[in-house]
Amino acid sequence: GDSVTQTEGLVTLTEGLPVMLNCTYQTIYSNPFLFWYVHYLNESPRLLLKSSTDNKRTEHQGFHATLHKSSSSFHLQKSSAQLSDSALYYCALSDPHQGGRALIFGTGTTVSVSP
Amino acid sequence: EAAVTQSPRNKVTVTGGNVTLSCRQTNSHNYMYWYRQDTGHGLRLIHYSYGAGNLQIGDVPDGYKATRTTQEDFFLLLELASPSQTSLYFCASSGGPSGNTLYFGEGSRLIVV
Repeated sequence: GDSVTQTEGLVTLTEGLPVMLNCTYQTIYSNPFLFWYVHYLNESPRLLLKSSTDNKRTEHQGFHATLHKSSSSFHLQKSSAQLSDSALYYCALSDPHQGGRALIFGTGTTVSVSP
Repeated sequence: EAAVTQSPRNKVTVTGGNVTLSCRQTNSHNYMYWYRQDTGHGLRLIHYSYGAGNLQIGDVPDGYKATRTTQEDFFLLLELASPSQTSLYFCASSGGPSGNTLYFGEGSRLIVV
């Protein structure tokens, strides 16, 4: 079945350094939607960005990701981490063939940014 | 702004106890979902619904029942709570399947002692 893999459970870094969170996926469908959701402590998870277009860079709030169907990847990047980026990040996959089943989430990556 | 409201926000119950988590959305969305969030497992789908009276089974349904009474209201029922059900539960709604954004509630933290 479909799956999403996030290899890092925890990423710790210093403010100002670049960050990249890995996301790879498996699906039999050729046109999936890929998402990044962010969950700040004591808030509701919310959409950060999404894409279904191959090789097109998607940006929001300083983060960017590019869907690469050839490698089944949708890595999240930011050039300079801020303290406020500390949060739990989920990569997710939507497969139209699953109907209203909604998203398949990865296990999440916690980002901790220190001064 | 989409709105999904959950209650209670915090709940402690004993093993074998009966718990109902409530979710109301005012987005006029047809799709609603219950997830549980656990460290190392991420967000896992328990049950979901396409509309009032509809119920679909998710990935981790054991020990949970759900009911969708109206388009707005979706309930998660734990009739014999167990410590393994200690978790943070999120309700979400969506205007449609694939490609649509999920709007999450604030979460309900359940502790089963």
